[in-house]
Amino acid sequence: TQLLEQSPQFLSIQEGENLTVYCNSSSVFSSLQWYRQEPGEGPVLLVTVVTGGEVKKLKRLTFQFGDARKDSSLHITAAQPGDTGLYLCAATSGTYKYIFGTGTRLKVLA
Amino acid sequence: SAVISQKPSRDICQRGTSLTIQCQVDSQVTMMFWYRQQPGQSLTLIATANQGSEATYESGFVIDKFPISRPNLTFSTLTVSNMSPEDSSIYLCSVTSGGNEQFFGPGTRLTVL
Repeated sequence: TQLLEQSPQFLSIQEGENLTVYCNSSSVFSSLQWYRQEPGEGPVLLVTVVTGGEVKKLKRLTFQFGDARKDSSLHITAAQPGDTGLYLCAATSGTYKYIFGTGTRLKVLA
Repeated sequence: SAVISQKPSRDICQRGTSLTIQCQVDSQVTMMFWYRQQPGQSLTLIATANQGSEATYESGFVIDKFPISRPNLTFSTLTVSNMSPEDSSIYLCSVTSGGNEQFFGPGTRLTVL
């Protein structure tokens, strides 16, 4: 069974701080995605990475796919209260089905 | 992109009853999926809803418990049958339309007493 472990599970930080969330597996994936989910809503896609070592930036968010395509990280610079939410990684080995990570619940305090 | 609506948004049900959740998409889509998200946890895929044929269920989920219909390319239903408190979860519909991006509905929050 493929597993995607995220760390940390919970994170509470002050506005303006930086943070990194990790998504790790022992399996190789062809594609990995990061989502953010807010209470009462479905997850919203932030980014898709497909190439080992790939780095993508979305404003203050930086996403990296590991060289071996087994892991990924999400770095947020100068976090804001609007970044609060549940962050989920999801990955596929080439089929249409994605498995989701265990989730990281982020709270940014003003 | 695709805009997805789900009905009901939430419900409280008695043990032993069944609830049907509807998922409506504003455009024709290739794939439709149903997920379960238990309180404070991540998403688990229940099944892929196939248009015109039986749904494809993941390990641990069976048709008798979670019957699914998909009569056309924009609509699907998931029924949670003979409910128990362990079925209390958020049920999410998602779609893809050729690319690898999934769009999710807002979810249905189910509480079983």
